[in-house]
Amino acid sequence: QQQVKQSPQSLIVQKGGISIINCAYENTAFDYFPWYQQFPGKGPALLIAIRPDVSEKKEGRFTISFNKSAKQFSLHIMDSQPGDSATYFCAASNGNTPLVFGKGTRLSVIA
Amino acid sequence: SQTIHQWPATLVQPVGSPLSLECTVEGTSNPNLYWYRQAAGRGLQLLFYSIGIDQISSEVPQNLSASRPQDRQFILSSKKLLLSDSGFYLCAWTPAGTDTQYFGPGTRLTVL
Repeated sequence: QQQVKQSPQSLIVQKGGISIINCAYENTAFDYFPWYQQFPGKGPALLIAIRPDVSEKKEGRFTISFNKSAKQFSLHIMDSQPGDSATYFCAASNGNTPLVFGKGTRLSVIA
Repeated sequence: SQTIHQWPATLVQPVGSPLSLECTVEGTSNPNLYWYRQAAGRGLQLLFYSIGIDQISSEVPQNLSASRPQDRQFILSSKKLLLSDSGFYLCAWTPAGTDTQYFGPGTRLTVL
């Protein structure tokens, strides 16, 4: 029940295309859903986060879509660029427990 | 401003030697603190988390231990390193009363 399942494990997208990464959770007590971006040799950096009271949040080219009834949330990267090539992690928590992370998606954006 | 420091950045240690990794957070009080390990090309494994001085929870049984001698200092230790302890060790923190978690730059540990 504490798991967050992330897919795909790896993703190759053409420059200018849309990258989509999906996550699913079981624990209905989760109320905070962040996404992190990690470049090789660096610590993960918070990219964008959402709470269940909204279905979508957009920051620049990055959008989180949230489906509470399906217990799923996804990250969309519009106009993907080679500089977006990184590993992306979704996570979830209920504020009282540590973040539960997905296993990560390695995104490669090719020209 | 709030910052997190980890040192050393890289470390090469022989099997059986001790380990001490240090993490310090500046510009905040009473943060939650976390230690993660990341194997090459793998996900984030939570090792320890702390909600206050001397309040530490262990997530994975192993030969590692953690201590929090001061409010903003978190130390990861081992008495005898194993080959399997190699990895990228990340310290993270959450400001008191919030969900937002921030990661440090990490320590690359290689055990030979």
